[in-house]
Amino acid sequence: SAVISQKPSRDICQRGTSLTIQCQVDSQVTMMFWYRQQPGQSLTLIATANQGSEATYESGFVIDKFPISRPNLTFSTLTVSNMSPEDSSIYLCSADPGLAGRTDTQYFGPGTRLTVL
Amino acid sequence: RKEVEQDPGPFNVPEGATVAFNCTYSNSASQSFFWYRQDCRKEPKLLMSVYSSGNEDGRFTAQLNRASQYISLLIRDSKLSDSATYLCVVDSSYKLIFGSGTRLLVRP
Repeated sequence: SAVISQKPSRDICQRGTSLTIQCQVDSQVTMMFWYRQQPGQSLTLIATANQGSEATYESGFVIDKFPISRPNLTFSTLTVSNMSPEDSSIYLCSADPGLAGRTDTQYFGPGTRLTVL
Repeated sequence: RKEVEQDPGPFNVPEGATVAFNCTYSNSASQSFFWYRQDCRKEPKLLMSVYSSGNEDGRFTAQLNRASQYISLLIRDSKLSDSATYLCVVDSSYKLIFGSGTRLLVRP
């Protein structure tokens, strides 16, 4: 398994600003993921972040809006840029604990609850 | 059609009851299947993987029917602490697809 921490746990931001969310894993992992969960809805994958390569974004999400860094095998950041109230959501990072390859199991951080005014 | 479909519930059952959740998926090439549990305002946590032969973990039994593209979760002897949303998760094209979840409420 993997233990994942995120910060901040919550934030309230003004529209037009940007917020960077940090995700730390307690072990080295190849694949990390960023999700968004709107109230009462399930998780939507924003992008997959593999160390040493550009993040792969899902349909509807673009790098200019959600730039991602993956500087090493235990850490990733997601930035929510030029925020609007529609970006208010919970942002979750997760990791597949496999280092040599995918296990398809993912463990989640506690999430960042973002409110944009 | 959604890739993973679940009955949203809520299922409202008394303590000690047996409850079953179902889930259907659309990608016949999917190979990995899971049930996650999500408590209110918390992150999803892996409950169990689902194997073709069916598998059991204590009071929880998961089954997979590949022909019908159908997954189930059975909870026996429900506890108050089982109250949560149960997410059906299926791999598709190297990523996990989450169902919208089935909400379970266990009452005293």
